[in-house]
Amino acid sequence: SQTIHQWPATLVQPVGSPLSLECTVEGTSNPNLYWYRQAAGRGLQLLFYSVGIGQISSEVPQNLSASRPQDRQFILSSKKLLLSDSGFYLCAWSPGASGANVLTFGAGSRLTVL
Amino acid sequence: GQNIDQPTEMTATEGAIVQINCTYQTSGFNGLFWYQQHAGEAPTFLSYNVLDGLEEKGRFSSFLSRSKGYSYLLLKELQMKDSASYLCAAQDSNYQLIWGAGTKLIIKP
Repeated sequence: SQTIHQWPATLVQPVGSPLSLECTVEGTSNPNLYWYRQAAGRGLQLLFYSVGIGQISSEVPQNLSASRPQDRQFILSSKKLLLSDSGFYLCAWSPGASGANVLTFGAGSRLTVL
Repeated sequence: GQNIDQPTEMTATEGAIVQINCTYQTSGFNGLFWYQQHAGEAPTFLSYNVLDGLEEKGRFSSFLSRSKGYSYLLLKELQMKDSASYLCAAQDSNYQLIWGAGTKLIIKP
């Protein structure tokens, strides 16, 4: 069966510090991978998605970046965090681009920027 | 533009039935999803509709009308554990998901 791991679960970072969130998927190959952000009481905002190694699509211009160094690894990074980067970050995977593109989410990473 | 509308919050009584509505406007359409999200946790998949009609899964059912751009999630025999946010998402012609802001469902004993 497929599993998705995301870490760290919680982090508190000062403004201007770097960020690295990591996500890995097991039990499947060539998954679509996604990074979402959810502000308190808000809907899901798609940040990045990837259909293959090295293929990253950015949905929202910002100071965040994503990389996919391996087929089942997806990393969200920032060189200098802003207060507005606080939120709940969710990694997700789906099996493909057509049909019922069901997303399975990781447990999430709650980021507080002070 | 693309848009999803659903009520912000609903309250229901344990043991009762509740219907959560969702209307959508997308560039093309490739299905409608419902996810459940408990506070502080990740969303989990509930249902997917691509054809008109009702899909039933135990206590949960989801309905779709493509001509009206409308879906609802029906929860029967409500339990306290059903207290959560319910997210509606429509898949557009590029298979990208357009998400609603979610409906917070409060269950009272």
